[in-house]
Amino acid sequence: EVQLVESGGGLVQPGGSLRLSCAASGFTFSSYWMSWVRQAPGKGLEWVANIKQDGSEKYYVDSVKGRFTISRDNAKNSLYLQMNSLRAEDTAVYYCARVAGTTRGFDYWGQGTLVTVSS
Amino acid sequence: EIVMTQSPATLSVSPGERATLSCRASQSVSSNLAWYQQKPGQAPRLLIYGASTRATGIPARFSGSGSGTEFTLTISSLQSEDFAVYYCQQYNNWPLYTFGQGTKLEIK
Repeated sequence: EVQLVESGGGLVQPGGSLRLSCAASGFTFSSYWMSWVRQAPGKGLEWVANIKQDGSEKYYVDSVKGRFTISRDNAKNSLYLQMNSLRAEDTAVYYCARVAGTTRGFDYWGQGTLVTVSS
Repeated sequence: EIVMTQSPATLSVSPGERATLSCRASQSVSSNLAWYQQKPGQAPRLLIYGASTRATGIPARFSGSGSGTEFTLTISSLQSEDFAVYYCQQYNNWPLYTFGQGTKLEIK
């Protein structure tokens, strides 16, 4: 059974940093692109970042470029999101999601971890 | 940036009736469009990809159509478990994605 379990969320002050993790199981993690998607309270979904199977390509939504870094450790079946210079508008539930092999939709999602940026 | 616009924002439909949700792209996305369902407190679930192909385990009452800039998600006979928020997503600009703002499907 495919499982994605996020962790690392919490309360952080504006300007602070946080590192999210996503533990993957039930599939060959190193064979898939992976993504982070976020959802601000009461709002819609926003794609945040993508990373290629071997980590050689990374892509970001403009609003997080230069502040967030996506990475992965295939030996540990884990995906990460390093978030620096956090702003109030980064407050959201952050989901990790698997990119389906050929269709490019997100076929599996974690349960999400809440990040709150507030003083 | 490709902007995805969903309509209506809220749709009120009675159980057993048909629901039709729309999604429009600001430029052509070919058939590179997916639909997701999200219930309160849950992660989204992939329903449709390639504009019209149901994902694994999705009931046949869900169907998608369209190409280019105009897309439709139809739920043929609404069940109680179908009342949720639905999002469209384009991946024509892969590896960059854009979601629509969502349509809330509520019980009439």
